[in-house]
Amino acid sequence: DAGVIQSPRHEVTEMGQEVTLRCKPISGHNSLFWYRQTMMRGLELLIYFNNNVPIDDSGMPEDRFSAKMPNASFSTLKIQPSEPRDSAVYFCASSLSSGYGEQYFGPGTRLTVT
Amino acid sequence: GNSVTQMEGPVTLSEEAFLTINCTYTATGYPSLFWYVQYPGEGLQLLLKATKADDKGSNKGFEATYRKETTSFHLEKGSVQVSDSAVYFCALSPSGGQNFVFGPGTRLSVLP
Repeated sequence: DAGVIQSPRHEVTEMGQEVTLRCKPISGHNSLFWYRQTMMRGLELLIYFNNNVPIDDSGMPEDRFSAKMPNASFSTLKIQPSEPRDSAVYFCASSLSSGYGEQYFGPGTRLTVT
Repeated sequence: GNSVTQMEGPVTLSEEAFLTINCTYTATGYPSLFWYVQYPGEGLQLLLKATKADDKGSNKGFEATYRKETTSFHLEKGSVQVSDSAVYFCALSPSGGQNFVFGPGTRLSVLP
């Protein structure tokens, strides 16, 4: 299996622009997670989906952030409008909800907002 | 609520030294416990796990034992290598839950 796939790997954008991050989970996994990692705040869970349904979005910072999972093999995290404080590495992870919960992480997208 | 506490880093060791990274947790019920490792520029990778009290997880020479009486899951390795330099995260998964709680991470640097 190719593992969790994220694109793009790097994104540089200007403040105010819309940013869309993409994730393809491991085939057969039915839970998907979006995390944000910064030096100051560490690893933060933004949102997670089970069977394509958002279960917990309490970590989404504000209305500028939105996430969708239209089908079992694709999810997006959108920031509109972006701000410099959104600069971080964004990780997607997937898991089998019937397992012991181990999550498999993608390589991350490094976002820089200038 | 659920939480994970790890020893603060960075931890710097010489090659072949003994490693311990402390992890303690607070949780209701019977969580599963995990150690993840993040190498520079990469995502987190599962290193080992334990799903019930007294279980020992092990992988690549690393070990951790699920101690319910002390609510701990300390990571150990008898002889570290330069290639072990990374950030190590302790995490728990609440019983029946999917929502992980990660510790802040401990950066390990191993010098030749």
